[in-house]
Amino acid sequence: NAGVMQNPRHLVRRRGQEARLRCSPVKGHSHVYWYRQLPEEGLKFMVYLQKENIIDESGMPKERFSAEFPKEGPSILRIQQVVRGDSAAYFCASSPQSGVNTEAFFGQGTRLTVV
Amino acid sequence: DQQVKQNSPSLSVQEGRISILNCDYTNSMFDYFLWYKKYPAEGPTFLISISSIKDKNEDGRFTVFLNKSAKHLSLHIVPSQPGDSAVYFCAASANYGGSQGNLIFGKGTKLSVKP
Repeated sequence: NAGVMQNPRHLVRRRGQEARLRCSPVKGHSHVYWYRQLPEEGLKFMVYLQKENIIDESGMPKERFSAEFPKEGPSILRIQQVVRGDSAAYFCASSPQSGVNTEAFFGQGTRLTVV
Repeated sequence: DQQVKQNSPSLSVQEGRISILNCDYTNSMFDYFLWYKKYPAEGPTFLISISSIKDKNEDGRFTVFLNKSAKHLSLHIVPSQPGDSAVYFCAASANYGGSQGNLIFGKGTKLSVKP
């Protein structure tokens, strides 16, 4: 997972606040994926982005969640009006290209706690 | 509906012996499989992968076997070392539709290697 930087590592938010999670992919990687891991669960795919485009958001909740990967700067996962059930570890991964046979490199994750 | 299943939540092995981690899948469209290793408070680290056109892939102490007819794969670690103690995730992907690149993960198996 060397090279994928996520910040903050830990984030505490009160119910109703907004959470912003940042991900800087490996240098040169233009494909970013966001995953969520609930306690005792595997990682669940949320969204796949390329620069300035959302390619697949089939795993993203329809409300309160949004993601972007602008031309310049990190990818942002934004959760509005957080609820206790949003508490989880959020992992970002990047790859140099899309498709199968492409290993994704993961960041260390952001642990969101909603109080 | 879990498409990737790791039915053993934990496994304990003596140092020097073989560790065998199992994974079953239900989606016949999966054509690429990966194993990730995860330490607490860190992101998953890629270990080894296998394409559906192969039935075995080996990398040092790690070997992955794929049985397509049984929709089953396994990761063998031999000899096991205490540093291998971690949670191992099986993941799969399919090159179809708009879901290129995103991985479907199992819930993980926690491996403990005793000295």
